Amino acid sequence: DVKVTQSSRYLVKRTGEKVFLECVQDMDHENMFWYRQDPGLGLRLIYFSYDVKMKEKGDIPEGYSVSREKKERFSLILESASTNQTSMYLCASRSSGTSGNEQFFGPGTRLTVL
Amino acid sequence: AQSVTQLGSHVSVSEGALVLLRCNYSSSVPPYLFWYVQYPNQGLQLLLKYTTGATLVKGINGFEAEFKKSETSFHLTKPSAHMSDAAEYFCAVSSGAGSYQLTFGKGTKLSVIP
Repeated sequence: DVKVTQSSRYLVKRTGEKVFLECVQDMDHENMFWYRQDPGLGLRLIYFSYDVKMKEKGDIPEGYSVSREKKERFSLILESASTNQTSMYLCASRSSGTSGNEQFFGPGTRLTVL
Repeated sequence: AQSVTQLGSHVSVSEGALVLLRCNYSSSVPPYLFWYVQYPNQGLQLLLKYTTGATLVKGINGFEAEFKKSETSFHLTKPSAHMSDAAEYFCAVSSGAGSYQLTFGKGTKLSVIP
């Protein structure tokens, strides 16, 4: 079974702090994704990476950056956290060889910025 | 550009009744279509997907969906609701093989009344 893990289930940070959210997958997937989920808005793509050291902006990249130094790990960075970044963050991975384009999700990190 | 519309942000059914969750999509190319389920405080889990071939797709937990190209729909059904089906359901579309991204609907929260 594919396993996608996220470093924290719940996180509380203060405005202005630098925040790191870590995601690790164990299935040698090339593609990895970061989403944020807010009530009534569904999932919105922040960034994705189609391979190591590769990244592309999604729909809402402002205020975020990412790092993919190893294939299994994809980090989301909030350079200076703000209260409007309070949200559920979901990581996903996908094999580029899968014709069905299925993504596998981690359990999520609920971030609160005070 | 592709988009997904899920009709009804909240659906309530009685235990044992038919579950029908509606999803309409727009895509400029033949789409791949997905339904995911999210239980409280968890990540998303794939229920079923349509890529090519048979338009009636069966998934886990007794759910199925039918791809109707003429109606640009991919509605999710289950003949008899169970209490454990209470969750949020997301429809998603990708623009076919090789596409990295999924576009998600805003979700439908299903309540099951005993």
